[in-house]
Amino acid sequence: EADIYQTPRYLVIGTGKKITLECSQTMGHDKMYWYQQDPGMELHLIHYSYGVNSTEKGDLSSESTVSRIRTEHFPLTLESARPSHTSQYLCASLRGREAFFGQGTRLTVV
Amino acid sequence: KQEVTQIPAALSVPEGENLVLNCSFTDSAIYNLQWFRQDPGKGLTSLLLIQSSQREQTSGRLNASLDKSSGRSTLYIAASQPGDSATYLCAVGDNNNDMRFGAGTRLTVKP
Repeated sequence: EADIYQTPRYLVIGTGKKITLECSQTMGHDKMYWYQQDPGMELHLIHYSYGVNSTEKGDLSSESTVSRIRTEHFPLTLESARPSHTSQYLCASLRGREAFFGQGTRLTVV
Repeated sequence: KQEVTQIPAALSVPEGENLVLNCSFTDSAIYNLQWFRQDPGKGLTSLLLIQSSQREQTSGRLNASLDKSSGRSTLYIAASQPGDSATYLCAVGDNNNDMRFGAGTRLTVKP
């Protein structure tokens, strides 16, 4: 079983703040993903990485950015949060072709 | 572009019933299909993974089938329990490591 961790679990911040959502996995998986999910809605891919120094944008346009300096970490950053960024953010990694998800970060921008 | 549809969007059943959740996809050139469970406000927990060469996978009271040619998968839950209440999502994986998710089926099992 893969271990993948997201912090924080919940975050309420003011408009204009810079925030970084952390995602870490301990299994050495190369492929990692960020999804955005509004309540009751489907998941949308916003970023993915196939390994260190590899980052790509997903289907859903997002004002966030990601980095992949180390295999274990795939942080997502919002330079200036807005209320429209309020959502749940889910991080995943792949072992072979099987996906494992973190518990998610529920972000509220007020 | 692959599109994944899950029907019904919501389902409510009494405890003990057997039930079937449906997932359909438009492009049959898939690598695998994965069923997940999501509890409110939580991440996704993998339930079953079916490779494109397989027809079904079983885990406990869960059985997932795959018919690539017709673009369909079903998740069968036997003897449902209140603890099965959650949203169930299917995700289709392609050869490019992309996963497309359905919108999910929200299941409520009443005691």
